[in-house]
Amino acid sequence: EDQVTQSPEALRLQEGESSSLNCSYTVSGLRGLFWYRQDPGKGPEFLFTLYSAGEEKEKERLKATLTKKESFLHITAPKPEDSATYLCAVQTGGGNKLTFGTGTQLKVEL
Amino acid sequence: DAGITQSPRHKVTETGTPVTLRCHQTENHRYMYWYRQDPGHGLRLIHYSYGVKDTDKGEVSDGYSVSRSKTEDFLLTLESATSSQTSVYFCAISEIWTSGGGPGSYNEQFFGPGTRLTVL
Repeated sequence: EDQVTQSPEALRLQEGESSSLNCSYTVSGLRGLFWYRQDPGKGPEFLFTLYSAGEEKEKERLKATLTKKESFLHITAPKPEDSATYLCAVQTGGGNKLTFGTGTQLKVEL
Repeated sequence: DAGITQSPRHKVTETGTPVTLRCHQTENHRYMYWYRQDPGHGLRLIHYSYGVKDTDKGEVSDGYSVSRSKTEDFLLTLESATSSQTSVYFCAISEIWTSGGGPGSYNEQFFGPGTRLTVL
């Protein structure tokens, strides 16, 4: 059974204080790893897809990386508007289904 | 929200009543999904569809049924609602294509705004 674990569950940062969120996975045959951002009361918003170990993707202050066992979402010099829950999901096998982690709730304070 | 609407956005109902939630997309994507989101469990797949009249079960399908008679609409029905089905329900859509020189198929799912369902 595919498992996705995100850590920490919650993270509080000061504005400008860089950090990383972790997504570790145990799957048989990773086809893709996805990062989403979710604001309170809204649906998840797609951020990145990573397909193979060593791959990196960047968008503004966010950078996602992938190894054979985990993915990191690095947040550089965060701003209060980066506050959200960040979700990680994996796609495995031949199906089109995703297995999600429970998320990291990030709060960035002034 | 990538041309996805869900209705209703909020619903309160009583135990034992049937409930139908609707997902409508304007993107002409082949795949549609229903998830529920609960604290401590994350997003869990209920059912999904890979084409008109083609559906399959997800991880937590008991007590739910789905139908898809048109590409743009995917309905989720709770035959007889129970308090354990109180949750936030999200619809998602995706399309599959294969890049020429890439690793395989792409499957980004795009989510609707959600429906908050309370079963009393």
